[in-house]
Amino acid sequence: AQSVSQHNHHVILSEAASLELGCNYSYGGTVNLFWYVQYPGQHLQLLLKYFSGDPLVKGIKGFEAEFIKSKFSFNLRKPSVQWSDTAEYFCAVNGGSQGNLIFGKGTKLSVKP
Amino acid sequence: DADVTQTPRNRITKTGKRIMLECSQTKGHDRMYWYRQDPGLGLRLIYYSFDVKDINKGEISDGYSVSRQAQAKFSLSLESAIPNQTALYFCATRKGETYTEAFFGQGTRLTVV
Repeated sequence: AQSVSQHNHHVILSEAASLELGCNYSYGGTVNLFWYVQYPGQHLQLLLKYFSGDPLVKGIKGFEAEFIKSKFSFNLRKPSVQWSDTAEYFCAVNGGSQGNLIFGKGTKLSVKP
Repeated sequence: DADVTQTPRNRITKTGKRIMLECSQTKGHDRMYWYRQDPGLGLRLIYYSFDVKDINKGEISDGYSVSRQAQAKFSLSLESAIPNQTALYFCATRKGETYTEAFFGQGTRLTVV
């Protein structure tokens, strides 16, 4: 069965600090990978996605993620966070014929102004 | 108008009551999903439907049932609500291809007292 692990439950950073949120998945076949963001009180929105090709994927709001197949990882990065990046971030994987998105438990990011 | 609409947005109900959460979408997608979100547990899949005649259980379907009334409508029912079903519920839709992203509704906050 597919699963997704997000290593950090809560990350606290100051503005302008760099961000890296870890995500590892377990699935041996071809996968599609996603990062979603949930701002306080809102629904999930797509940040970026990986299907194939260049393993370095750029998303909205300056976020990027790198797919490392050998490590089963898809870490999210941002060079310089802003207070408005305070949110919860979810990694998700879709593999196999079922076509279901399986989510990690999420990482809360708090950015101090 | 939102692409994925959930009603109600908030609901408080008593233990033992039957309650239905509704979801409708205007994206023309064939796949629809119900997730519940609990703090620290991320999003867990309750039920999913690939088309009107194809409904499947997710990882936490006990205590829930669904109905796909039309391609655009997918409702979730709690036949006899219990307090541990207190959660934030999200409906999502997706095109059939596995590499596509899911679009989420605004969520329904359900409290069972």
